[in-house]
Amino acid sequence: QKEVEQDPGPLSVPEGAIVSLNCTYSNSAFQYFMWYRQYSRKGPELLMYTYSSGNKEDGRFTAQVDKSSKYISLFIRDSQPSDSATYLCAMSAKQAGTALIFGKGTTLSVSS
Amino acid sequence: GAGVSQSPRYKVAKRGQDVALRCDPISGHVSLFWYQQALGQGPEFLTYFQNEAQLDKSGLPSDRFFAERPEGSVSTLKIQRTQQEDSAVYLCASSFHGALNSPLHFGNGTRLTVT
Repeated sequence: QKEVEQDPGPLSVPEGAIVSLNCTYSNSAFQYFMWYRQYSRKGPELLMYTYSSGNKEDGRFTAQVDKSSKYISLFIRDSQPSDSATYLCAMSAKQAGTALIFGKGTTLSVSS
Repeated sequence: GAGVSQSPRYKVAKRGQDVALRCDPISGHVSLFWYQQALGQGPEFLTYFQNEAQLDKSGLPSDRFFAERPEGSVSTLKIQRTQQEDSAVYLCASSFHGALNSPLHFGNGTRLTVT
């Protein structure tokens, strides 16, 4: 079993839908949780960063962490065609100078 | 350009050839990471530099992989005697310092194909 599990999809939704993306993990030492967005043939870009449990909201994006269930989520409200990309969860046990463990990524397609 | 720059964007190598992949991080960024991304997978950590010091190379898959950052800026990832399983996108990322809330800025990667 990999340390981080993420359903690769693909996930197809109509414009305006609410999208829910999820990851589960096995390492209880993980404390730092991130979501990256990766467009085709581009590098990942950081969308959301969360420390420990709780929610964080940034515009149309909300990140949730439930450490008791070892489960993290990213919600996208009012999805747009420009949100079509691969979404990668990433996490780490330590803050500084350490490797992130990434999920496989979920490919999202938003149709207009 | 203000971003992380990687070259070449694409590299085709015959099995057994040596390759060198270059990363120009954002000016002033202390931390530099190399990741390997196979098709349909998330990036996997290879190695980490803080300035010129290689602090973690635990992700390098074999002794055929070597990375350096001699002056604390540009970094080179070298793969000797390439094998087909080395085919992947190699991503470089930099950050102002190593803390996770200092965002990692990724380059667009070098796509290596070993034939």
